[in-house]
Amino acid sequence: EAGVVQSPRYKIIEKKQPVAFWCNPISGHNTLYWYLQNLGQGPELLIRYENEEAVDDSQLPKDRFSAERLKGVDSTLKIQPAELGDSAVYLCASSPREDGGELFFGEGSRLTVL
Amino acid sequence: GENVEQHPSTLSVQEGDSAVIKCTYSDSASNYFPWYKQELGKRPQLIIDIRSNVGEKKDQRIAVTLNKTAKHFSLHITETQPEDSAVYFCAARDSARQLTFGSGTQLTVLP
Repeated sequence: EAGVVQSPRYKIIEKKQPVAFWCNPISGHNTLYWYLQNLGQGPELLIRYENEEAVDDSQLPKDRFSAERLKGVDSTLKIQPAELGDSAVYLCASSPREDGGELFFGEGSRLTVL
Repeated sequence: GENVEQHPSTLSVQEGDSAVIKCTYSDSASNYFPWYKQELGKRPQLIIDIRSNVGEKKDQRIAVTLNKTAKHFSLHITETQPEDSAVYFCAARDSARQLTFGSGTQLTVLP
């Protein structure tokens, strides 16, 4: 069974440019998460989806970040415009259950903003 | 929201010795406490978890203990091996079902 797939793995952009990350969760997993991980830190939740509904987006900086999960499967996370401080790893995770349980993470998308 | 603190931030042990990592949480309604291992450049992976109705859980060389009264939980690794070297994250799921992670512990097992 394929795990959580993310792309791109690496992205280097200049500040003020837009960037988008894509995530394909494990088949059948209704819950999808986007986390941000800074170097040497634990993952920080940006947004959580139950099917296509964003049920927790309180930590998402909505002035520049947006996310969508069309048809309750794949998800995209967009940053526009990117700032230097956005350099981090963006992790996608999925879970088969609404109450969480084990989260299955993707390899992450490493963003560098110059 | 939930606040999870993790100590120590770095830990070095000799191969064969035990390692202990401790976490505290703030929300007394938190009910699920997983531990994730993240090797350099790789994804975090669950190694063990415990629910609030259990005080201790063991899986071969790793164990987790939970003290709900004190709001702290710990990861214990016995007979450490070089492949145990990684960053370990604790986490707590609160009443809003949000999973909050600690800041991580870099464990180094010296041969």
